[in-house]
Amino acid sequence: DQQVKQNSPSLSVQEGRISILNCDYTNSMFDYFLWYKKYPAEGPTFLISISSIKDKNEDGRFTVFLNKSAKHLSLHIVPSQPGDSAVYFCAASSGNAGNMLTFGGGTRLMVKP
Amino acid sequence: ETGVTQSPTHLIKTRGQQVTLRCSSQSGHNTVSWYQQALGQGPQFIFQYYREEENGRGNFPPRFSGLQFPNYSSELNVNALELDDSALYLCASSSRQGKIPYEQYFGPGTRLTVT
Repeated sequence: DQQVKQNSPSLSVQEGRISILNCDYTNSMFDYFLWYKKYPAEGPTFLISISSIKDKNEDGRFTVFLNKSAKHLSLHIVPSQPGDSAVYFCAASSGNAGNMLTFGGGTRLMVKP
Repeated sequence: ETGVTQSPTHLIKTRGQQVTLRCSSQSGHNTVSWYQQALGQGPQFIFQYYREEENGRGNFPPRFSGLQFPNYSSELNVNALELDDSALYLCASSSRQGKIPYEQYFGPGTRLTVT
């Protein structure tokens, strides 16, 4: 039973345009959501997070939106740059589970120059 | 500041064998988590160690076990290897300070192939 899902395995975007990566979850106990970026031969690196008490969090070119009623979150990257090409993972945690992260399957983003 | 390191980088084992993977946590971090990432999937939580004790476990059988040492480094042991154990094994360290979930820093992983 996949509690966190990323339904798009890949996304291709032109440089300078907006990239939108989506994530759905089923466990209503999740109260914190994170996005990680992963380059080949490297471990995932933390990108941005959002608490369930908020519906938006912004950090430079990256914005995460949370829709709790729909159990959906999205990551917007504006403007997209070729260096953003990587696999992006959505992850979730609940206070009860402490530090355990539940990851989605990932979306491979390709930003074309 | 030294990041999270893992050894070995790659490993090939035969079904039924046992394997030990190692992780050195980032300086100042006292918590280590292990994740399994199968090809084309996201990382899946195996277990976490805090102060040398297991502190949370995912849906993995007992043949997956671990250790954390006084210097906070950690080992993941897998007995009776199966073909499905072939995956990238990621270690993440964190410091129990600040808000939950504590920010986790991942190592580059160990690629295990079971034949």
